[in-house]
Amino acid sequence: EVQLLESGGGLVQPGGSLRLSCAASGFTFSNYAMTWVRQAPGKGLEWVSAISGGGGSTYYADSVKGRFTISRDNSKNTLYLQVNSLRAEDTALYYCARGFSDFWSGRKIDMWGQGTMVTVSS
Amino acid sequence: SALTQPASVSGSPGQSITISCTGTSSDVGGYNFVSWYQQHPGKAPKLVIYDVSDRPSGVSNRFSGSTSGNTASLTISGLQAEDEADYYCNSYTSSSTLNYVFGTGTKVTVL
Repeated sequence: EVQLLESGGGLVQPGGSLRLSCAASGFTFSNYAMTWVRQAPGKGLEWVSAISGGGGSTYYADSVKGRFTISRDNSKNTLYLQVNSLRAEDTALYYCARGFSDFWSGRKIDMWGQGTMVTVSS
Repeated sequence: SALTQPASVSGSPGQSITISCTGTSSDVGGYNFVSWYQQHPGKAPKLVIYDVSDRPSGVSNRFSGSTSGNTASLTISGLQAEDEADYYCNSYTSSSTLNYVFGTGTKVTVL
């Protein structure tokens, strides 16, 4: 079964850090670019970051650039998002999702995880 | 910035509804890379249209997409109770480092 399973979310104080993980199964992980999309409570979808299949190209939204780092371990079929210097406005459900080829394109995201919640509050 | 969608659209079972997604020539109007996602409460988004009008395998042919100028549209024909959900458009944009931007989202209510 093709599946994406996120973990690592939680409650963190402003300025704190977390490492989100996304374990992939059921497909050749290295053949696909991956992305993180977030959704604040009651709000819309927002692209956060993306990475090519080989990991050599990374992309970030302006709102997280310099604070978040996307990476992947293709030997472990796992995607990561290191989130630092967290702010209240980073509070959201973070989805891991799969692109349609090994280079990044958000044109056809056909597989999504169920998300991991990050809450930034003192 | 986010593409503009109406906050809500409603229709009766069996009717057709259309959701608009308005952008600029730097996104919707400039590229044929518009996609639409359906999201039921508490669930992950699901792709229903990509490349303006293509449907992924398994998606009902009641869903169709089109563009005109800087506006993309998603039409749901033969509206069913299960279509009640939030819908988001997404487009390629030359104005973002991630190259894609979502719409503001539309709540579809089946009366």
